[in-house]
Amino acid sequence: EPEVTQTPSHQVTQMGQEVILRCVPISNHLYFYWYRQILGQKVEFLVSFYNNEISEKSEIFDDQFSVERPDGSNFTLKIRSTKLEDSAMYFCASLTGEVSGMNTEAFFGQGTRLTVV
Amino acid sequence: AQKITQTQPGMFVQEKEAVTLDCTYDTSDPSYGLFWYKQPSSGEMIFLIYQGSYDQQNATEGRYSLNFQKARKSANLVISASQLGDSAMYFCAMREGRSTGFQKLVFGTGTRLLVSP
Repeated sequence: EPEVTQTPSHQVTQMGQEVILRCVPISNHLYFYWYRQILGQKVEFLVSFYNNEISEKSEIFDDQFSVERPDGSNFTLKIRSTKLEDSAMYFCASLTGEVSGMNTEAFFGQGTRLTVV
Repeated sequence: AQKITQTQPGMFVQEKEAVTLDCTYDTSDPSYGLFWYKQPSSGEMIFLIYQGSYDQQNATEGRYSLNFQKARKSANLVISASQLGDSAMYFCAMREGRSTGFQKLVFGTGTRLLVSP
């Protein structure tokens, strides 16, 4: 069964450092998302990406965050200068191109646990 | 205003019993989808069941069923014949129609289910 793959599974970084979280979405999917979940809290939307550009972003997704799809397969989330409050689980998700179908659940990766120290 | 409300922070159930996890939602969009995800302690997000706003019948997937009451804006998850492996965090989520963007998911705060022997 196709799956979304995220690497690394766990990353520890020092405050102020740049970090890149990587995701390989399902190959024929066209819509990509990043969500984050601070420990013990709900999952929050960060950004959606379609046709090589951001289609929507939340208030959390400030200038410290960026996304790109550098090679047509990987989908990355970069945090330029990490803060302690960026510590969270980050989930990548992808969705098929059948946007008209509301029952297309987002396929989630297993998550990257980011710890900023 | 909260889009998705899960009022039960924790629920306990004995093995083999049925349990209902509550979810209410708020939207003015006539087209929406409701999802339930399971998050075990390992952290991944596992899709369980989907209900579309226009679906005439309640969704069922194995031991999972969704008690969809559109007028009350509720979409409760029913797990029948609970198993020890059902112990996890459960999130209700909603995806609104395309009028609000590329169908991001909005999550509730979750309910932690503990199944006892």
